[in-house]
Amino acid sequence: AQKITQTQPGMFVQEKEAVTLDCTYDTSDPSYGLFWYKQPSSGEMIFLIYQGSYDQQNATEGRYSLNFQKARKSANLVISASQLGDSAMYFCAMREGRQGGSEKLVFGKGTKLTVNP
Amino acid sequence: EAGVTQFPSHSVIEKGQTVTLRCDPISGHDNLYWYRRVMGKEIKFLLHFVKESKQDESGMPNNRFLAERTGGTYSTLKVQPAELEDSGVYFCASSPLRGEAFFGQGTRLTVV
Repeated sequence: AQKITQTQPGMFVQEKEAVTLDCTYDTSDPSYGLFWYKQPSSGEMIFLIYQGSYDQQNATEGRYSLNFQKARKSANLVISASQLGDSAMYFCAMREGRQGGSEKLVFGKGTKLTVNP
Repeated sequence: EAGVTQFPSHSVIEKGQTVTLRCDPISGHDNLYWYRRVMGKEIKFLLHFVKESKQDESGMPNNRFLAERTGGTYSTLKVQPAELEDSGVYFCASSPLRGEAFFGQGTRLTVV
């Protein structure tokens, strides 16, 4: 069974607008972490934001915020005030197991975001 | 501080040849991971080192893949002999014992 689902293969947004990238996950482990990574055309994977399953508040990092809805098992990434440099592939990932530990990540297929001028 | 570096950035080899990918983690990071993304599919976990020990190698596709981590520093991933389906982007990531993983830029492997 797929553990991370990103239903949007591609998304388009106008510069300066906000965009939401969807991610749903499946796990029976009460302790897990959710991550978003950005992969620009240059290829590197850039860590954006992290949400722990026990965190009470939604994570925020600058223009990135994670809309964590635990009951619905969703962890959508919201990018506010999109910039041309935000055009990239975005991957949602989950780490199961004890919080704070470094365990393997399970990735979704990714969403290609294009920001139009 | 230098990030995770991978060599080479690209490699094109013929089927049946051997290729060795290298990863230099961030200094002091005990955890080192290898992942692979085959075209159009998810990024898949291959294996996990803690220092020089293999913690989890459940994602290694078959015995043509051999990973080592000398002295708990850099790691190599050897594919021998390479097959067409091995083509993809191989990512290395490292992390401290507690913390998020930082990825390298990846090695794009093409087997022809």
